[in-house]
Amino acid sequence: DSGVTQTPKHLITATGQRVTLRCSPRSGDLSVYWYQQSLDQGLQFLIQYYNGEERAKGNILERFSAQQFPDLHSELNLSSLELGDSALYFCASSSAERAQYFGPGTRLTVL
Amino acid sequence: EDQVTQSPEALRLQEGESSSLNCSYTVSGLRGLFWYRQDPGKGPEFLFTLYSAGEEKEKERLKATLTKKESFLHITAPKPEDSATYLCAVSSGNTGKLIFGQGTTLQVKP
Repeated sequence: DSGVTQTPKHLITATGQRVTLRCSPRSGDLSVYWYQQSLDQGLQFLIQYYNGEERAKGNILERFSAQQFPDLHSELNLSSLELGDSALYFCASSSAERAQYFGPGTRLTVL
Repeated sequence: EDQVTQSPEALRLQEGESSSLNCSYTVSGLRGLFWYRQDPGKGPEFLFTLYSAGEEKEKERLKATLTKKESFLHITAPKPEDSATYLCAVSSGNTGKLIFGQGTTLQVKP
């Protein structure tokens, strides 16, 4: 158990819909990262937050957005969903940019 | 552009048959190289961080080494429970974002 929690574990929705994925970092970690893992693309960095502020952005689509709240939990919002958005979404947290610890992931299926 | 390439893509070993996984990287200003283990449908599990050429880390049957252009994950006398996908990642610049390789899927047969 990494100490990072993610909800929900599974999400099935339809094209065009909007979903929210939630992540709670390890106690004391200020940085939260979101990654997408698909079969053809591997693990891809989406976005990083540090203590509530956006720190870095990867190849995150404009339809996707994220935020980190004062209690340090983070949410990833995915809108206007397409079939190609089906993937595993992981959250990771770290302290002082050391090793990142990953959560169990949310499996998103868009039908 | 930062890039990580892992080889082989897949590796089948007999129990007790030692081998090595390779991770080649191109990065401007390496801040750290990371090894993770991932089981199907699970989140990556942190194994090691290496920061500079010549550094080595060990954990049970695993040993990670680092040079200026590549890293190796040596598996000594593997067991079936070592079967998993092993991911290599690098971080550079002033953020902690990780660039991952495609992984090596290891299968250890009893």
